[in-house]
Amino acid sequence: GQSLEQPSEVTAVEGAIVQINCTYQTSGFYGLSWYQQHDGGAPTFLSYNALDGLEETGRFSSFLSRSDSYGYLLLQELQMKDSASYFCAVDANDYKLSFGAGTTVTVRA
Amino acid sequence: GAGVSQSPSNKVTEKGKDVELRCDPISGHTALYWYRQSLGQGLEFLIYFQGNSAPDKSGLPSDRFSAERTGGSVSTLTIQRTQQEDSAVYLCASSKGEAKNIQYFGAGTRLSVL
Repeated sequence: GQSLEQPSEVTAVEGAIVQINCTYQTSGFYGLSWYQQHDGGAPTFLSYNALDGLEETGRFSSFLSRSDSYGYLLLQELQMKDSASYFCAVDANDYKLSFGAGTTVTVRA
Repeated sequence: GAGVSQSPSNKVTEKGKDVELRCDPISGHTALYWYRQSLGQGLEFLIYFQGNSAPDKSGLPSDRFSAERTGGSVSTLTIQRTQQEDSAVYLCASSKGEAKNIQYFGAGTRLSVL
């Protein structure tokens, strides 16, 4: 099976940088995904790391270390609209995503 | 369609009744998934379709849950004899066959069993 751990909550001010860590245990591994979900909304895809290293997409970056079973999502230049829940998800067998419990990010003015 | 569409958006039912939840995936997406999300929790995988076939039903919690997909498009998740613990948001996602790691989600059906 799979298990993922991520912090439950993070609070930061506008303009700050937030790092959300995700550690995982899995019997198979293709990659690590990150999804954003606003209250009452649909989860939306942010990034996917299959190989070690950093992937940058605008203000968001994602990192993976396969040897450490660890990844993180970095949110830079925080904006109020970034207040949401962020989920890491392990792609264990090429189609099935196993999600963490989510990190609620609250951005304050 | 432009995105994944789910209906109804909200469903309130009495314990013991059957419910049907519908998912309309993005046109051309061959893979379709159902997840369940309880309040404040992550997403729990229920079932995966490739075309009309369901090679992985491992996440269905009990035999009261079933799902089908027709025409490689619309899918229906059916819950029979609903129980209070079935109350959750049921999310559907679809993806291209060659990029299953990127899943596009609908807004979900919020099911409340009284």
